[in-house]
Amino acid sequence: QLQLQESDSGLVKPSQTLSLTCAVSGGSISSGGYSWSWIRQPPGKGLEWIGYIYHSGGTYYNPSLKSRVTISLDRSKNQFSLKLSSVTAADTAVYYCARLSVALGGHDYWGQGTLVTVSS
Amino acid sequence: QSALTQPPSASGSPGQSVTISCTGTSSDVGTYNYVSWYQQHPGKAPKLMIYEVSKRPSGVPDRFSGSKSGNTASLTVSGLQAEDEADYYCSSYAGSDNVIFGGGTKLTVL
Repeated sequence: QLQLQESDSGLVKPSQTLSLTCAVSGGSISSGGYSWSWIRQPPGKGLEWIGYIYHSGGTYYNPSLKSRVTISLDRSKNQFSLKLSSVTAADTAVYYCARLSVALGGHDYWGQGTLVTVSS
Repeated sequence: QSALTQPPSASGSPGQSVTISCTGTSSDVGTYNYVSWYQQHPGKAPKLMIYEVSKRPSGVPDRFSGSKSGNTASLTVSGLQAEDEADYYCSSYAGSDNVIFGGGTKLTVL
C-alpha cells in the first residue's frame, strides 16, 4: 500500500522560504505513469494545486505561484520536495503531497497534510 | 486560470439523491475528460471518488456517479447515507500541464 508522509514545517516567518518534503513508501517515485503533486488548503477554504513533478523530473507549476515555487525529486531517498519562497500570511495552509496517476487523471494517494503557518 | 465553480452547499435526506455541479470553461472541463471528484471529511485528506468524468476507483460505492455536459460536470450521490456528509471538490485538467480545483461544496445529510 502506497503511503505518503509530509515533513513538519510548522512556523515560517514572512519573506522566508517554506520547505517541505514528502516521503513515499510502498512504491517508487521513479515508476512511470505517475506525477507527484503538492496541493494546499488555506484554513476553511478550498484546494489549490501548487504543481507537480513527473517521474522523469519534468516540473509544472500553477501559473499564479510559478515565480516562487520549486519542486524536486530525491530518488535516493524516494521523496520529493517543495520550496516556496517569499512567503506571506496568505501562504498559511495545510499542505498536501499526492500522487497523480496518468492513467486515472486524478490524485489517487494523498499524505495526511501538514499545517504551515506564516507569522513573525 | 480561475477555480471551477461549485455551489457552496447541498443537502438531502437519507436515501435521497443529490447532485453537485462543477462549472468550468471550454479551456478545461469543456475540452478534457480528465474531471475528477474528491470527498474530504473534516481534518482528513481528500479521497478520490470519481476520475475521468464518470469512473470509480476500486472501493468507491456505486452510489457515487459522475457525468459531464458541455462545460459543466456533475457528481450525483444516490441513496444518501450519513457518512456521505463531507466536502466535495471537483478538479479538471486545464491544458499545458495545469490542474484546477473547484471551490468545494459542503454536503449535509439532513
